[in-house]
Amino acid sequence: NAGVTQTPKFRILKIGQSMTLQCTQDMNHNYMYWYRQDPGMGLKLIYYSVGAGITDKGEVPNGYNVSRSTTEDFPLRLELAAPSQTSVYFCASSQAVDHGYTFGSGTRLTVV
Amino acid sequence: AQKITQTQPGMFVQEKEAVTLDCTYDTSDPSYGLFWYKQPSSGEMIFLIYQGSYDQQNATEGRYSLNFQKARKSANLVISASQLGDSAMYFCAMRGPYTNAGKSTFGDGTTLTVKP
Repeated sequence: NAGVTQTPKFRILKIGQSMTLQCTQDMNHNYMYWYRQDPGMGLKLIYYSVGAGITDKGEVPNGYNVSRSTTEDFPLRLELAAPSQTSVYFCASSQAVDHGYTFGSGTRLTVV
Repeated sequence: AQKITQTQPGMFVQEKEAVTLDCTYDTSDPSYGLFWYKQPSSGEMIFLIYQGSYDQQNATEGRYSLNFQKARKSANLVISASQLGDSAMYFCAMRGPYTNAGKSTFGDGTTLTVKP
């Protein structure tokens, strides 16, 4: 099994550009999450989903959007990139709320 | 609101010795769960161990154990017989009640360095 696959691994964006971070899992997990990790810090929740068609905001949703049309895919959209969005982005999935997350390998995004 | 505090920015341990990484938490919910994750220098996040608030016994997974002291609101990670490959950043995290969709709050992490 591939687990959670994130693409791209690295990206440089100019201020004002937009992009989509892709996330796919093949474990049939209902719960999926997007976190960002700033240097030297823990992870902060951007958006999450409890199943196809259901998404909700986390702690830091401004400047982002998500969709969940299938169980497998949970893309994160950045609109009008700003330097404050420079971070490492992790997608994660979970079988149940009392199970640990399976993380993707992360996307290192730099906005210049 | 949930809060996780990891007070040790960095820790050193000699190879083959045991080490304890501290984690304290704050929540008003009676139902919650505590996790530990490892982040090696390569950057991936790896789930290590989980403890539910109603679990009677401390969780163990191989060389990892979670020292859960509910009254003190602490959930320390104990790594026995440290190995060089244990050098990494370690994050404590907490989820809220089952109705909270498994959302986790993370601490800022502790960097562990294992010395040969």
